[in-house]
Amino acid sequence: NAGVTQTPKFQVLKTGQSMTLQCAQDMNHNSMYWYRQDPGMGLRLIYYSASEGTTDKGEVPNGYNVSRLNKREFSLRLESAAPSQTSVYFCASSERWTSGTDTQYFGPGTRLTVL
Amino acid sequence: SQQGEEDPQALSIQEGENATMNCSYKTSINNLQWYRQNSGRGLVHLILIRSNEREKHSGRLRVTLDTSKKSSSLLITASRAADTASYFCATGDNNAGNMLTFGGGTRLMVKP
Repeated sequence: NAGVTQTPKFQVLKTGQSMTLQCAQDMNHNSMYWYRQDPGMGLRLIYYSASEGTTDKGEVPNGYNVSRLNKREFSLRLESAAPSQTSVYFCASSERWTSGTDTQYFGPGTRLTVL
Repeated sequence: SQQGEEDPQALSIQEGENATMNCSYKTSINNLQWYRQNSGRGLVHLILIRSNEREKHSGRLRVTLDTSKKSSSLLITASRAADTASYFCATGDNNAGNMLTFGGGTRLMVKP
């Protein structure tokens, strides 16, 4: 099992460019999440998908859109990148949403720089 | 806004010593989790403690939770160089499904 995979690992964009970060999990999990981590800080939730077919905003959704393509895949799109979106992006998944106590499994991250 | 705040922000110890990290949070929770992040990698779940538990052990890890003080501590005993990483607490709220709110982390360095 690969767990949670993310592509690409690194990306450099110019201001105003768009891109999509891909995430896939092979653990048959129902819930998936996108976080960003800025230097010296913890993770902040951008969007989440409690189950296939649903998506909701987290703490910092502005400037992002998501798609839960199927149960395995959850993508994050930056429509018009800004320097403030320079960060490391992590995708995570968990078995359920309703339990409130499920472990989240994280991907290796995508390091994004916006010039 | 961050729910959990870790203390200290950075900790440097010698191999074999114990490392203690603290986490304080602001609102009521139904569970608190600790995660480890090695440099340049994703987070790995270490341990979960529910709001009705006071202490939990897992190998060399000991976690305590004091809901009256809204605080938790993570103790790593007999530390090893491989324990060098950042450690994050994350809180879960019964009213927010499985959403976690992460603190800023403690950077632990264990010198051989």
